[in-house]
Amino acid sequence: LAKTTQPISMDSYEGQEVNITCSHNNIATNDYITWYQQFPSQGPRFIIQGYKTKVTNEVASLFIPADRKSSTLSLPRVSLSDTAVYYCLVGDDNYGQNFVFGPGTRLSVLP
Amino acid sequence: KAGVTQTPRYLIKTRGQQVTLSCSPISGHRSVSWYQQTPGQGLQFLFEYFSETQRNKGNFPGRFSGRQFSNSRSEMNVSTLELGDSALYLCASSPRQGSANEKLFFGSGTQLSVL
Repeated sequence: LAKTTQPISMDSYEGQEVNITCSHNNIATNDYITWYQQFPSQGPRFIIQGYKTKVTNEVASLFIPADRKSSTLSLPRVSLSDTAVYYCLVGDDNYGQNFVFGPGTRLSVLP
Repeated sequence: KAGVTQTPRYLIKTRGQQVTLSCSPISGHRSVSWYQQTPGQGLQFLFEYFSETQRNKGNFPGRFSGRQFSNSRSEMNVSTLELGDSALYLCASSPRQGSANEKLFFGSGTQLSVL
């Protein structure tokens, strides 16, 4: 699995757009980028997954530049309920991997 | 479709005891993986089961074991509990054998406290 680096924490205010960037310099050709969201005392929840360019769903957008060495999770107009830890996971379709979740980014949305 | 179900939700044990945690995956999912989450170490991979066979194992001592049944339900066992085993234990299921490209569906976890 490619090693990832994310900011440890971020603060934002309600209604703002939040962008969380994940660096994965040694991403391999077959690697996808997946983001999860976790609230306290709950399991992580899948948010979005992408391979290149831009992916958008009802919750977020994922921007991946051409070199794929980083990715940015974009949360439009955050609310207090978006306060959570966000994990970036990068890996390929090889089975039998150890899933390594980094420390994630703790997002605090303030009123 | 029902989500991943973990039981019990909370558990209190004393040092030296053993504990068994249960995980029922989403119907049709054949892979179940287990994780330990603590404030200090974050989310750490324990092991993964697929078709009743352990496919991969993280860096945990042999006191941590698991199994998977023919209906894909999985149990995790921790023997000779230590204070440091206090954690949130999470399981996740996916339709295929786990890989980082698979979308994992997590349960709400079992909060284990060892006194």
